[in-house]
Amino acid sequence: DADVTQTPRNRITKTGKRIMLECSQTKGHDRMYWYRQDPGLGLRLIYYSFDVKDINKGEISDGYSVSRQAQAKFSLSLESAIPNQTALYFCATSDPGQGGRNEQFFGPGTRLTVL
Amino acid sequence: AQSVTQLGSHVSVSEGALVLLRCNYSSSVPPYLFWYVQYPNQGLQLLLKYTSAATLVKGINGFEAEFKKSETSFHLTKPSAHMSDAAEYFCAVRPDRGSTLGRLYFGRGTQLTVWP
Repeated sequence: DADVTQTPRNRITKTGKRIMLECSQTKGHDRMYWYRQDPGLGLRLIYYSFDVKDINKGEISDGYSVSRQAQAKFSLSLESAIPNQTALYFCATSDPGQGGRNEQFFGPGTRLTVL
Repeated sequence: AQSVTQLGSHVSVSEGALVLLRCNYSSSVPPYLFWYVQYPNQGLQLLLKYTSAATLVKGINGFEAEFKKSETSFHLTKPSAHMSDAAEYFCAVRPDRGSTLGRLYFGRGTQLTVWP
């Protein structure tokens, strides 16, 4: 079974709709992240959480919100979806290790299309 | 501000040829550095990482990268490309080495095409 899972894997929605993307992990990591990927722009950080009580904005948080329901679950919401939020969304987890040397582990992604 | 620059958004090589994907970073202190690969319709997986004094790092699938402090570079190489190497490659930097509070910054990616 995958360590980091995302649901749904694909979603088509209309402008103005509320959308929730979910992420679950079985790695036991405290830290979780949400990124969006757009062609030619790489990965950009939306939100990140270092533990259940700690939520931080990334560089492109406008139009998004998150909820850390438990150590293993981190959800991303689009309160009112707009077409320029069409993108591939990734969840990631990490256990930073000594001095932050450890890598992040990524889910398979959710492809979101907003019409 | 921290930044990661990947020179060349697309690189094409013939099967069996050398693969060279370039990554330069800006950081006031030597950071931790990572290369990730993304195969079509999949998430990112780690190829290799630099976190120690060993400047030449070997990763999976025959890839390696060399950390050059004087050039602020961490270029990814593979001596002989295989068709299965076709994917998108991302360089990432954690600039605050030694701190557990840090986050990763990603480059924009390089799409590698391998011709038969």
